[in-house]
Amino acid sequence: DAGVTQSPTHLIKTRGQHVTLRCSPISGHKSVSWYQQVLGQGPQFIFQYYEKEERGRGNFPDRFSARQFPNYSSELNVNALLLGDSALYLCASSLRSGGKNTEAFFGQGTRLTVV
Amino acid sequence: GNSVTQMEGPVTLSEEAFLTINCTYTATGYPSLFWYVQYPGEGLQLLLKATKADDKGSNKGFEATYRKETTSFHLEKGSVQVSDSAVYFCAHYNTDKLIFGTGTRLQVFP
Repeated sequence: DAGVTQSPTHLIKTRGQHVTLRCSPISGHKSVSWYQQVLGQGPQFIFQYYEKEERGRGNFPDRFSARQFPNYSSELNVNALLLGDSALYLCASSLRSGGKNTEAFFGQGTRLTVV
Repeated sequence: GNSVTQMEGPVTLSEEAFLTINCTYTATGYPSLFWYVQYPGEGLQLLLKATKADDKGSNKGFEATYRKETTSFHLEKGSVQVSDSAVYFCAHYNTDKLIFGTGTRLQVFP
């Protein structure tokens, strides 16, 4: 079975532009979460979606938005890009939306560089 | 608030040396605890986990024990290999998200 797949793998954008990142979860997984990992830091939670509904949101500005589709794939959108948005964006899928035994599986990430 | 604190790296070891990477956490209740590993240019891979006090997670020679009394989940391996060189992240699950530490880079030399 395929793991979590993200596209594109690398992306270069200019300040002020908009970007869309895509994620396909593991087959059968209904929850997708997005994390931002700035160089040298641990991943920071951005959003969680379960059954196409937003279940959690981290401390990120409204320029960040996401959605989940009927096939459970997800998109992360970032508007008005800033230099500080340069990071590795990780998508994680899990069977459930939460709980002690929830196990998250991560994709390879999308490396976004804003110039 | 909820947080995870890891020892700063890099940790530099010779092959076959003993490894300890310290991790302590702050959380409400008794969260599940995880160690993830990130190899260069890759995403995160789950290394091991523990879901309740005194549980020991283990995988690929790595072990960590959930210590409620000290709120710790230290990672250990008896004999590291060059292929273990990576960044290791301690994390706990809080309601709807994982809370990660800043990561500890391990460098193993032959």
